[in-house]
Amino acid sequence: GQNIDQPTEMTATEGAIVQINCTYQTSGFNGLFWYQQHAGEAPTFLSYNVLDGLEEKGRFSSFLSRSKGYSYLLLKELQMKDSASYLCAVAGGGGNKLTFGTGTQLKVEL
Amino acid sequence: SAVISQKPSRDICQRGTSLTIQCQVDSQVTMMFWYRQQPGQSLTLIATANQGSEATYESGFVIDKFPISRPNLTFSTLTVSNMSPEDSSIYLCSVRDTNEAFFGQGTRLTVV
Repeated sequence: GQNIDQPTEMTATEGAIVQINCTYQTSGFNGLFWYQQHAGEAPTFLSYNVLDGLEEKGRFSSFLSRSKGYSYLLLKELQMKDSASYLCAVAGGGGNKLTFGTGTQLKVEL
Repeated sequence: SAVISQKPSRDICQRGTSLTIQCQVDSQVTMMFWYRQQPGQSLTLIATANQGSEATYESGFVIDKFPISRPNLTFSTLTVSNMSPEDSSIYLCSVRDTNEAFFGQGTRLTVV
């Protein structure tokens, strides 16, 4: 099976930087995804990591260490609109299906 | 990329009835996935819909409760059968590309 852990809630200040961690255990690892989900909406793709290292895309970066079963999503220059749930998802088990973590509810404050 | 059209977007249903959710993709895909998202929760995979064979269900989900059809490579349906209030959730279909997974807009189901 697969086990994915991420913090339930985080609070950060507008303009700051926040790092959301995700640890996982899986067999047949086939990539790690980060999604953003605003209340009442479908998840929106943010990033995909399959090799170790940092992937940067504008204000968002994602890091992966396969040996440690660890990833983080880094959000810079936080804006109020970044208040959302951030979902870590792992592709594994030898197939294409994604297993999602519980999600981290991020609240950005003034 | 893939564009997924899912309908209905929302529905309110009486307990004991069934609802069929449709998912249409703008390109041919081998596998389509159905997820459930209960209020305040993350996404849980219900099943993988395979064209030409029976769907593969995850632990805790059975075909009698969630029958799935996959008549071709661009379309799938999920039926929520004999509904109870505990089935009130958002149901999402998804397809996977090499480095991205795409989601429909979801069906918000309320069972009363």
